[in-house]
Amino acid sequence: DAGVTQSPTHLIKTRGQQVTLRCSPISGHKSVSWYQQVLGQGPQFIFQYYEKEERGRGNFPDRFSARQFPNYSSELNVNALLLGDSALYLCASSFASQGAAYEQYFGPGTRLTVT
Amino acid sequence: QKEVEQDPGPLSVPEGAIVSLNCTYSNSAFQYFMWYRQYSRKGPELLMYTYSSGNKEDGRFTAQVDKSSKYISLFIRDSQPSDSATYLCAMRGNAGNMLTFGGGTRLMVKP
Repeated sequence: DAGVTQSPTHLIKTRGQQVTLRCSPISGHKSVSWYQQVLGQGPQFIFQYYEKEERGRGNFPDRFSARQFPNYSSELNVNALLLGDSALYLCASSFASQGAAYEQYFGPGTRLTVT
Repeated sequence: QKEVEQDPGPLSVPEGAIVSLNCTYSNSAFQYFMWYRQYSRKGPELLMYTYSSGNKEDGRFTAQVDKSSKYISLFIRDSQPSDSATYLCAMRGNAGNMLTFGGGTRLMVKP
């Protein structure tokens, strides 16, 4: 079975530009979460979507937005890019949203470089 | 102070050694505890998943959770050079999906 897929693998943007990152969850999984991982640090939670609704938001500015589609894939958008947005953006997929024990599986990430 | 603390290392051990990796946390609401392995420039790979206190074993890996001390551990037996990676602890509560990660410990296993 295919795991979590993300695209693109790597991209380079200029300050002030906008970027869209894409994620396809594991087949059958309905929840997608986005994380930002700055080099040398652990991932930080940005958003969670379940059944196309936002279920959680981390401490990130409004320049960050996301959505989930009927097929459970998701997009993360970042506007007005700053140098500090340079990071590995990770998507995590899970079957459930909360409560019961379940695992979250991560994709390979999209490495964003802002110059 | 961070909610989850993890020694960044690097931790260097000879092949075959027993490795002990640890995290401490401050939020008593955390109920689910995970260990992920991350190779350079790759996504985290789920290694172990435990609920509440106790031990869980899977092959060469053993995860321990002590909620009374807010302390979790991952033990790797018979370590191999292929185990060289960054190990991330992560945890969450019952409400929502958000994982809180430690900063990761870099492990190097030398042949």
